[in-house]
Amino acid sequence: AQKVTQAQTEISVVEKEDVTLDCVYETRDTTYYLFWYKQPPSGELVFLIRRNSFDEQNEISGRYSWNFQKSTSSFNFTITASQVVDSAVYFCALRYGGSQGNLIFGKGTKLSVKP
Amino acid sequence: GAGVSQSPRYKVAKRGQDVALRCDPISGHVSLFWYQQALGQGPEFLTYFQNEAQLDKSGLPSDRFFAERPEGSVSTLKIQRTQQEDSAVYLCASSLASKGLGPNEQFFGPGTRLTVL
Repeated sequence: AQKVTQAQTEISVVEKEDVTLDCVYETRDTTYYLFWYKQPPSGELVFLIRRNSFDEQNEISGRYSWNFQKSTSSFNFTITASQVVDSAVYFCALRYGGSQGNLIFGKGTKLSVKP
Repeated sequence: GAGVSQSPRYKVAKRGQDVALRCDPISGHVSLFWYQQALGQGPEFLTYFQNEAQLDKSGLPSDRFFAERPEGSVSTLKIQRTQQEDSAVYLCASSLASKGLGPNEQFFGPGTRLTVL
């Protein structure tokens, strides 16, 4: 079965704190992609990153970084020095080899960054 | 910029009414997906089109749900005899590539929030 678990339902931090959002996935396929999307209050899903199953290099983009570990089936997302504008719901998603390309989403983590 | 657009943005229907939700994908995008997002949940896949062909409708929750993309561009999701459990945000996404893995990002529209009273 294909599944994405985001165990943290809500996280609240104070501005400038670092925060890590956890994502654990399940798939039997050896070829798959993992994604993170941001959903601000406006509702539109904004693409943040894609990782394929053969590339375990960590990635950094400004204040954002991602840690992909196949050994633990995890793809965690860290925001450094959080800002109020980071407040949103963040979704981790999986696209596996047997699919038509549709994404399997976790339930999301609601991040609130307070000034 | 010409992103994915959806209309209407909000729809209120009385139980039993039929509704039609429209999606305008990015021009030239081959693949089109519909997702349903219940309150407090992640989006769930409904159906997939490659051009005008509906290749996967495994996520449609009942035969009251019907989708079409007759000319391979605009798509309509129709829900007949709406029920309260159909209340959700319906998201449309498009991507450039056809079936198969590859760096074919899905670009999402703003969604249609359907409320069934």
